[in-house]
Amino acid sequence: SAVISQKPSRDICQRGTSLTIQCQVDSQVTMMFWYRQQPGQSLTLIATANQGSEATYESGFVIDKFPISRPNLTFSTLTVSNMSPEDSSIYLCSVGEVSPWYGYTFGSGTRLTVV
Amino acid sequence: AQSVTQLGSHVSVSEGALVLLRCNYSSSVPPYLFWYVQYPNQGLQLLLKYTSAATLVKGINGFEAEFKKSETSFHLTKPSAHMSDAAEYFCAVSDGNTGKLIFGQGTTLQVKP
Repeated sequence: SAVISQKPSRDICQRGTSLTIQCQVDSQVTMMFWYRQQPGQSLTLIATANQGSEATYESGFVIDKFPISRPNLTFSTLTVSNMSPEDSSIYLCSVGEVSPWYGYTFGSGTRLTVV
Repeated sequence: AQSVTQLGSHVSVSEGALVLLRCNYSSSVPPYLFWYVQYPNQGLQLLLKYTSAATLVKGINGFEAEFKKSETSFHLTKPSAHMSDAAEYFCAVSDGNTGKLIFGQGTTLQVKP
């Protein structure tokens, strides 16, 4: 199965600033997703990162706040824009492999604290 | 849309007792179902997955789950709990059309000595 490298692993940011999280996969994958895990909560899907086109956002998430890029089949970025303390969460990159069916692999996550 | 409901946000068992974590899903198409475990301050680890093969699925660390279509359930069990099983457990369902993986709310498993 794919191996994911996610950077940074953690960061402390000032409110009003932006942070870009990188997700690098060691093989070409079709499906790539971004999740948020707020403290003590489950994982919530932010968006599907589409290669060469705009990401598909879930209800409650908008492109202006969480712009996503996916220039190729092995790399994606998620930016958390104009941060507030409510954005303090773990952000995870995930890939899905369906041919053959391996399931889903998750990055180790980015622990973001906004002060 | 697919969805998952985990019954019981917190389950407490004694060491050596049966572990039963409940998961019910909603799906208009045959689902793929997963159980993940997350230990404190660690990442997600796949316990097991159902992908339309055998309905009884065996996973790591002695866990297993049974897919019951008539009950739309995929409960996770382990015959004998160990202290090291204390963690957060997530059930998840895959959307067969978009490939999206949707998580339940999670269940915290506490194991008492």
